[in-house]
Amino acid sequence: AQSVTQLDSHVSVSEGTPVLLRCNYSSSYSPSLFWYVQHPNKGLQLLLKYTSAATLVKGINGFEAEFKKSETSFHLTKPSAHMSDAAEYFCVVSRLPNYGGATNKLIFGTGTLLAVQP
Amino acid sequence: GAVVSQHPSWVICKSGTSVKIECRSLDFQATTMFWYRQFPKQSLMLMATSNEGSKATYEQGVEKDKFLINHASLTLSTLTVTSAHPEDSSFYICSARDSFGDLAGTYNEQFFGPGTRLTVL
Repeated sequence: AQSVTQLDSHVSVSEGTPVLLRCNYSSSYSPSLFWYVQHPNKGLQLLLKYTSAATLVKGINGFEAEFKKSETSFHLTKPSAHMSDAAEYFCVVSRLPNYGGATNKLIFGTGTLLAVQP
Repeated sequence: GAVVSQHPSWVICKSGTSVKIECRSLDFQATTMFWYRQFPKQSLMLMATSNEGSKATYEQGVEKDKFLINHASLTLSTLTVTSAHPEDSSFYICSARDSFGDLAGTYNEQFFGPGTRLTVL
């Protein structure tokens, strides 16, 4: 079975300060891990993904995440928050695509709402 | 990235009526489409997976006779909520991906639509 836990439902930062959104996962298989962002009235957008290559993954808009197997974590970070980063962020787990016939279902965390204060 | 559209973006209907939501991939062939629902302040829950030309696979607890899914072409999937009731009010989101290459160990990204807000009175 697979699951993800996003430890914070709300995070508030000031513009220009670092962002840390926490995610822990549980998986019986080698996982693929993703971070998606959801802006109001827009579709979810993929920020970055980990699929067994480099453990430090760089994504769009300056975000990055580090896969730590020993801690079963995949926290999302950004050095300096921008007002446009305010949105809902979802940590997502799936199976690695090494299994013929697997549908690669995405299992979503409960989301973290990021607020950026001026 | 690829674009997925949904129509309508919002709909209000009376209890007992049926509502159809369309999901289209605009610039790629979506061999697999997914339907999710999202309750306020909650996460996305997968309802069903559909592969073009075959019957949808529903997640446990999702009534297939209530949520009819049709994936008749490589660019269009529809979700029909039959005999809608107020408890069906939710945000419905589709996603689409091209499954070609899965068996070779690659992963093709799911692209998400903007969602459809359904309110049943």
